[in-house]
Amino acid sequence: RKEVEQDPGPFNVPEGATVAFNCTYSNSASQSFFWYRQDCRKEPKLLMSVYSSGNEDGRFTAQLNRASQYISLLIRDSKLSDSATYLCVVNPPPSNTGKLIFGQGTTLQVKP
Amino acid sequence: EADIYQTPRYLVIGTGKKITLECSQTMGHDKMYWYQQDPGMELHLIHYSYGVNSTEKGDLSSESTVSRIRTEHFPLTLESARPSHTSQYLCASSSGTGLSGYTFGSGTRLTVV
Repeated sequence: RKEVEQDPGPFNVPEGATVAFNCTYSNSASQSFFWYRQDCRKEPKLLMSVYSSGNEDGRFTAQLNRASQYISLLIRDSKLSDSATYLCVVNPPPSNTGKLIFGQGTTLQVKP
Repeated sequence: EADIYQTPRYLVIGTGKKITLECSQTMGHDKMYWYQQDPGMELHLIHYSYGVNSTEKGDLSSESTVSRIRTEHFPLTLESARPSHTSQYLCASSSGTGLSGYTFGSGTRLTVV
């Protein structure tokens, strides 16, 4: 079983749609979680950290469910510019090493 | 404005050549990482460093080597390039415990012919 698993998609949605991605992780002792965005042939960029209480940044909402070991990302009112691959990232123990585990990514294509 | 720099951005080179991919960061981060990523595929950690004179192999076996003589510099070397080394190589750094995530360089796209 992979340490971080995502549905690769692609998710094809119309502009304005709400789309949700889920990600599961295997190590229950993992401490920190992130969503990264990667555009085609570019480097990954941090989209948002994920906190236990859930957090929101504009149209983006991230949730963490420790009991079920999954992380979600919700995008509201999708824009064409949201088209990218979204990477779920986990910091497993020992957390002080700073080694992050990246999921394979979920591809989103927003169409006009 | 990028705080972590990779050069070259693109490299096409013949089989058997020795190459060095450069990575430098100006953030004073102790931890640095090299990832390999094929098109449409996931990132694989190939090397990491926790500080000067510290280097470790990552989860994916790689024929490349790294060095960390200065905090800001983490070059990756291939002694004899082969077509199987064709890939994108991404360098990243972090401030420490991983609580703040990584900052990535813009990558080097390597093609070995």
